[in-house]
Amino acid sequence: SQQGEEDPQALSIQEGENATMNCSYKTSINNLQWYRQNSGRGLVHLILIRSNEREKHSGRLRVTLDTSKKSSSLLITASRAADTASYFCATDANTGNQFYFGTGTSLTVIP
Amino acid sequence: EPEVTQTPSHQVTQMGQEVILRCVPISNHLYFYWYRQILGQKVEFLVSFYNNEISEKSEIFDDQFSVERPDGSNFTLKIRSTKLEDSAMYFCASSRNRRDQETQYFGPGTRLLVL
Repeated sequence: SQQGEEDPQALSIQEGENATMNCSYKTSINNLQWYRQNSGRGLVHLILIRSNEREKHSGRLRVTLDTSKKSSSLLITASRAADTASYFCATDANTGNQFYFGTGTSLTVIP
Repeated sequence: EPEVTQTPSHQVTQMGQEVILRCVPISNHLYFYWYRQILGQKVEFLVSFYNNEISEKSEIFDDQFSVERPDGSNFTLKIRSTKLEDSAMYFCASSRNRRDQETQYFGPGTRLLVL
């Protein structure tokens, strides 16, 4: 299946530190997106990176994509307590228009 | 900024009952989706909808499920006879285009509890 897998499953850091989460997927994609989910809440879109892009920035977020390794990473710099949430990568497939979500990384930022 | 809305935010129902979950997608979007997330598990695709018909559905989306766009703004998911295992958070999403590298925007979800 196309399912993405994030690692680590859980990450706990001190406020101000950087947090890095990784996502791996199995088949070719058009794009990869990162979403954030606060506990029991909806999914908030963070950033989209296309298959022909290698790196993208948005504020304190930096996303990389390595299509040869079928992997992506999300870096949150200078983390804040408010960044505490679960982070998911979602990939499309070259056919169809559904997203496949990974299992998520649960990030805890300790004030 | 436009957003996807969903109602109700929470619903409790008895096993065997029918439920209808409602969504209002972003107004200029043409593709609509339902996903679900069982507690502690990953978000799973259910169905996509375009031009008043289902364009894709997953194995989860069996005969107990149906979707409808009854008017120009609402998009609904109906579960005809709920089972205990239907308890989950249900997310609606919409996008402007199909696979044109467009973001899917998600609603806040409806938490369904089947007793």
